[in-house]
Amino acid sequence: KNEVEQSPQNLTAQEGEFITINCSYSVGISALHWLQQHPGGGIVSLFMLSSGKKKHGRLIATINIQEKHSSLHITASHPRDSAVYICAAYITQGGSEKLVFGKGTKLTVNP
Amino acid sequence: KAGVTQTPRYLIKTRGQQVTLSCSPISGHRSVSWYQQTPGQGLQFLFEYFSETQRNKGNFPGRFSGRQFSNSRSEMNVSTLELGDSALYLCASGSQGSGANVLTFGAGSRLTVL
Repeated sequence: KNEVEQSPQNLTAQEGEFITINCSYSVGISALHWLQQHPGGGIVSLFMLSSGKKKHGRLIATINIQEKHSSLHITASHPRDSAVYICAAYITQGGSEKLVFGKGTKLTVNP
Repeated sequence: KAGVTQTPRYLIKTRGQQVTLSCSPISGHRSVSWYQQTPGQGLQFLFEYFSETQRNKGNFPGRFSGRQFSNSRSEMNVSTLELGDSALYLCASGSQGSGANVLTFGAGSRLTVL
């Protein structure tokens, strides 16, 4: 079982819809990242969270440390939001840290 | 300011050869981390360097190695290439050498092994 699980794997929405992508992890973490990857491979860091909630434009990210769960919300979705969204947890194991990635959520927003 | 620069962007090698990829971080950033992305395994952490020292390492065989220079530029090397090494290799730079590091990714180097 992967240490970082994302759901759903694929998500199709109509323009304007509210979108939620979930990420859960099984071990203690020091931080969690939400990343966006467009076709062609380029990755953009959207948020880095260690507690609470962050907002940037139409994007909101939350994290619940006790429940080991994070969500990424997109309000008023737009076709340009179509991309793969990846959560990644910074995990400490045996004195070293590593970034462990979820499998990604492919979002398609139709006009 | 200039972003993270990876070179080369595309390359084709044959089995058994070796390859060196380069990553120039954002000016002032001292952390460089490397990742492999394949359709089957997704994104996986390779290693991270901070101020010329390898801080963390993922679960990859010894054929994968890296180094960081005094100007923070980093290289990764893969020796004795296998077909399964075909992947997009991404690097990211950060200002801190810890988990609390906002990462800026390069565009990646796409390696094809024939």
